[in-house]
Amino acid sequence: DVKVTQSSRYLVKRTGEKVFLECVQDMDHENMFWYRQDPGLGLRLIYFSYDVKMKEKGDIPEGYSVSREKKERFSLILESASTNQTSMYLCASSFRIADEQFFGPGTRLTVL
Amino acid sequence: AQSVSQHNHHVILSEAASLELGCNYSYGGTVNLFWYVQYPGQHLQLLLKYFSGDPLVKGIKGFEAEFIKSKFSFNLRKPSVQWSDTAEYFCAVGRGLTGGGNKLTFGTGTQLKVEL
Repeated sequence: DVKVTQSSRYLVKRTGEKVFLECVQDMDHENMFWYRQDPGLGLRLIYFSYDVKMKEKGDIPEGYSVSREKKERFSLILESASTNQTSMYLCASSFRIADEQFFGPGTRLTVL
Repeated sequence: AQSVSQHNHHVILSEAASLELGCNYSYGGTVNLFWYVQYPGQHLQLLLKYFSGDPLVKGIKGFEAEFIKSKFSFNLRKPSVQWSDTAEYFCAVGRGLTGGGNKLTFGTGTQLKVEL
């Protein structure tokens, strides 16, 4: 059973703080993804990674960066959190880039 | 850029009613098609997928979807919904199997509420 875990279910941060969201998958998947989920907007891709140290921008990368130092771990970084980054953040992984993605439980981030 | 449209944003049905949720996409080439479901408080999980072959795909919990290439559609159906089907449903489309440009694009989701 593929498992994707995220470091926190709920997180509250203040404007300007640096925020790290961690994601770990245990199925040796090449590809990992970060999305944000907002009501009425569905899932929007922030960044994805197709190999260790490799990353590509998604549809809404502004204000975010990512890190993938190990195959199983993909981190999302908010360099200076802002209130408009309050959202649900979902991590996913897949074997091939356009294959089925397996999702983590999500981190609900609130920026005050 | 590829787009995925889910025209029904909110759907309310009574138990035992039939369900059809629309999904249309813009890409004209080979596609991989998915329906995901998110039950309240749970993570996204796969309902069904289509890569090739029989365009009528059966998934879990009695759901099915039909790929109609000429209409660029992949509509989700269930003949008789249950209260436990209350959830948000997302359609997703990927272009082929290789290349970084072929990541999945998700629709905006359809919130289904099934009333007793």
